[in-house]
Amino acid sequence: NAGVMQNPRHLVRRRGQEARLRCSPMKGHSHVYWYRQLPEEGLKFMVYLQKENIIDESGMPKERFSAEFPKEGPSILRIQQVVRGDSAAYFCASSPQGASTDTQYFGPGTRLTVL
Amino acid sequence: GQSLEQPSEVTAVEGAIVQINCTYQTSGFYGLSWYQQHDGGAPTFLSYNALDGLEETGRFSSFLSRSDSYGYLLLQELQMKDSASYFCAVTGGGGNKLTFGTGTQLKVEL
Repeated sequence: NAGVMQNPRHLVRRRGQEARLRCSPMKGHSHVYWYRQLPEEGLKFMVYLQKENIIDESGMPKERFSAEFPKEGPSILRIQQVVRGDSAAYFCASSPQGASTDTQYFGPGTRLTVL
Repeated sequence: GQSLEQPSEVTAVEGAIVQINCTYQTSGFYGLSWYQQHDGGAPTFLSYNALDGLEETGRFSSFLSRSDSYGYLLLQELQMKDSASYFCAVTGGGGNKLTFGTGTQLKVEL
């Protein structure tokens, strides 16, 4: 049973470019969460999605960031016009039912470096 | 809002027992989770407490006191491979998102 998959594992972008991060949840999971981790810090919640729906985006920056989880295919976190402050590790997690007691299983992360 | 506090660093010797504490302030509370992270890799789930008391899973145990807004992770028979960062996280006060503490870096020495 494959775990949560993320790609790419490492992504380098120049300021002003776009970054697209992909997340495929565990088999049978339809709830996806995105978190961001800055160096030497804990993970910060960004957005929670179900298939075709954004459930909670309270942690998303108001501009340049968007997320989707289409009916088919992976969830995508998109960062437009990246800036140096966007450099971080972005982790995706999935859970089976979205219940408060569900365990969230994390992927290996995408390390974004903005030059 | 929600905030969690953990010690930033703990050092212990191989074979010892170590306790990592976590205090939290939340506007709502469903449960307290613990995750392990090696060198910035994928956070790995260790345990979850929704009710007061001790949960034991092998060498790891986790405790929760909801009245004190406090929990801890207990690691027994420490091994070198236990050197990692440990995060407590709460769910509550706004859905299923996890709010993480800043993490405790555990160093296990010979």
